Amino acid sequence: EVQLVESGGGLVQPGGSLRLSCAASGFTFSSYSLSWVRQTPGKGLEWVSYISSSSSIIHYADSVKGRFTISRDNAKNSLHLQMNSLTDEDTAVYYCARGYCRSSSCAFDYWGQGTLVTVSS
Amino acid sequence: AIRMTQSPPSFSASTGDRVTITCRASEGISSYLAWYQQKPGKAPNLLIYAASTLQSGVPSRFSGSGSGTNFTLTISCLQSEDFASYYCQQYYSYPWTFGQGTKVEIK
Repeated sequence: EVQLVESGGGLVQPGGSLRLSCAASGFTFSSYSLSWVRQTPGKGLEWVSYISSSSSIIHYADSVKGRFTISRDNAKNSLHLQMNSLTDEDTAVYYCARGYCRSSSCAFDYWGQGTLVTVSS
Repeated sequence: AIRMTQSPPSFSASTGDRVTITCRASEGISSYLAWYQQKPGKAPNLLIYAASTLQSGVPSRFSGSGSGTNFTLTISCLQSEDFASYYCQQYYSYPWTFGQGTKVEIK
C-alpha cells in the first residue's frame, strides 16, 4: 500500500524557518517524481514545488522561489521542504504528493494526510 | 500563470442526480487536466487524469471530457459518498494550478 506521511509542521514566527519531511513507503520511491502542494481556506490548493525522481529537475512556485528548497533522499525514501523567511501567507496545510506523470507533466495520484504550518507571532 | 476557473462554486443536488462541473483554462492546456475529489479533513483524491482517463479504482459514474480550454466532470448518478468538493488542475505548464473548487451539497 502506498503511504506518504508528512511531519515537521507547527507554529513558527514570521521570518522563521521550518523543515517539512515526507516519509514514503509501498512503492519504488526512486522511480517517482514528487511535489509539495499546500491548501488554505482562502486560496485553495496551490502547487508549491516539484522534484524529479533523480533530483535533476526542480521547480518552484513564484510565491516561494528563493525561500523554499525541495530535496529528496532516495536511499531513505524521504522528501523534504526547507522553508525559510516564512510569512503569514505561508500558513497552510502542506501535502506531499506523488506524481503521475507524462514526461514531466504530472497529476498527483497519492497524497499524504498533510501537516499544518502556522506562521504567527 | 494559467488560471483555472470552475463553475459553479457550489450547488445542491439529490442522490441519483446527474451533475456536471465545468473547468475553464485561461489558455490552452491540451488534455493536461486532472480532477480531484476532496472530503473535509482529507487529502484530495485523483479521479481523472488526461482530461478523460478514469483513475484505477474510481467508479465509472465519474467521467471527464474536454480539451484545450474547456473541460467538464460529470457524475452520472450521484451517490451519498459523492457529496464533497471537486477541483480541477492543469499540469500543462508551470506553475501547475488548481481551480478554486466546486462544493456539491445535499439538497
